[in-house]
Amino acid sequence: AQTVTQSQPEMSVQEAETVTLSCTYDTSESDYYLFWYKQPPSRQMILVIRQEAYKQQNATENRFSVNFQKAAKSFSLKISDSQLGDAAMYFCAYRSSNSGNTPLVFGKGTRLSVIA
Amino acid sequence: NAGVMQNPRHLVRRRGQEARLRCSPMKGHSHVYWYRQLPEEGLKFMVYLQKENIIDESGMPKERFSAEFPKEGPSILRIQQVVRGDSAAYFCASSPRTGSSGNTIYFGEGSWLTVV
Repeated sequence: AQTVTQSQPEMSVQEAETVTLSCTYDTSESDYYLFWYKQPPSRQMILVIRQEAYKQQNATENRFSVNFQKAAKSFSLKISDSQLGDAAMYFCAYRSSNSGNTPLVFGKGTRLSVIA
Repeated sequence: NAGVMQNPRHLVRRRGQEARLRCSPMKGHSHVYWYRQLPEEGLKFMVYLQKENIIDESGMPKERFSAEFPKEGPSILRIQQVVRGDSAAYFCASSPRTGSSGNTIYFGEGSWLTVV
């Protein structure tokens, strides 16, 4: 079974600075998808960014980018120019590409605080 | 295009009562997933359903919990004889019918169950 590990329970960043959230995963599969979800105080789960394992190029969405290291099974999220609205729980998630639709496997999350 | 709709948002039940949580997937989506989030934890997969079929219930507790997704109407997560440990946020998610794990899974806003 796949597992996702987020080793940083809490992180903080100064407004306008850059922060990197870590995520590692364990799988024997070669094809899969990785996601970062954000959960603000409203508790809504919001997709931040996704990465296909077969793509070498790191995904980027505005101020959010990932560093995907497939051999190391690492998938970190970088948030540039941090804003107060970025304060939230961030969850890393894995999804197998086998057998069509499959559920997401989540890490335990990292709570990000943004300091004004 | 409405997102994933869950109701009720908040539900309070006494120990021993039944809880029913409803989820209407996004328009055009026929895959539904239920996740549970305990306080300060990540989301744990419970069950994956398509219309009238349970595809994967490996995360579902063996007793008291059941789920359905009928041909007509919303998906229902049913918890019988609730106990305090069932207090959690229950998230529903959906994805399109096309069998690709690359499809993004969209989450509802969650249903918060409190057992008193």
